[in-house]
Amino acid sequence: GENVEQHPSTLSVQEGDSAVIKCTYSDSASNYFPWYKQELGKGPQLIIDIRSNVGEKKDQRIAVTLNKTAKHFSLHITETQPEDSAVYFCAASRAAGNKLTFGGGTRVLVKP
Amino acid sequence: GAGVSQTPSNKVTEKGKYVELRCDPISGHTALYWYRQSLGQGPEFLIYFQGTGAADDSGLPNDRFFAVRPEGSVSTLKIQRTERGDSAVYLCASSYHGGGNYGYTFGSGTRLTVV
Repeated sequence: GENVEQHPSTLSVQEGDSAVIKCTYSDSASNYFPWYKQELGKGPQLIIDIRSNVGEKKDQRIAVTLNKTAKHFSLHITETQPEDSAVYFCAASRAAGNKLTFGGGTRVLVKP
Repeated sequence: GAGVSQTPSNKVTEKGKYVELRCDPISGHTALYWYRQSLGQGPEFLIYFQGTGAADDSGLPNDRFFAVRPEGSVSTLKIQRTERGDSAVYLCASSYHGGGNYGYTFGSGTRLTVV
């Protein structure tokens, strides 16, 4: 089955700096890669997703890149703000709507 | 409703007891998913419904776990003879299969503690 590895497990950045989280996956048939943000006591919230026919996608301060050949994808957050502090999860699936395999999560702390 | 609703938000039960966890998806969402999240880990897939039927139940850990969605809306996750290892947050999500947007919307989860 699919295996998703996520690094780093914790990330501390100064407000205004950029944060980068990286994930690798094992199933070459995976073609849908969402990113979720989870705040304490809440369920994960979808923040951006990318499909395998696209190499990069951007939405305001967040962007995701995908390298299908290397089987890795990354989340980039620019101009970080204290409200970006949360746990972020990457995930992969063979098709949007199918079951997701999640990475282990990255705890991001943005210091004011 | 506006979001995915899960009840109860917290459940404490004794080892060996039976529990039911309820999920109310977003109105009109045809797909419903159950995941389990242990402390400090990512969610793990349990089961996925498309309408009333289970499209994929490969994540259910054993036959003590069962889920139903009899009318294609509300779903109940049932756990028999609970064990301490079942303690986790059980997350439900729903999505609309149509158009180009397949993103899940998760509920806040039910925190199950087996003592």
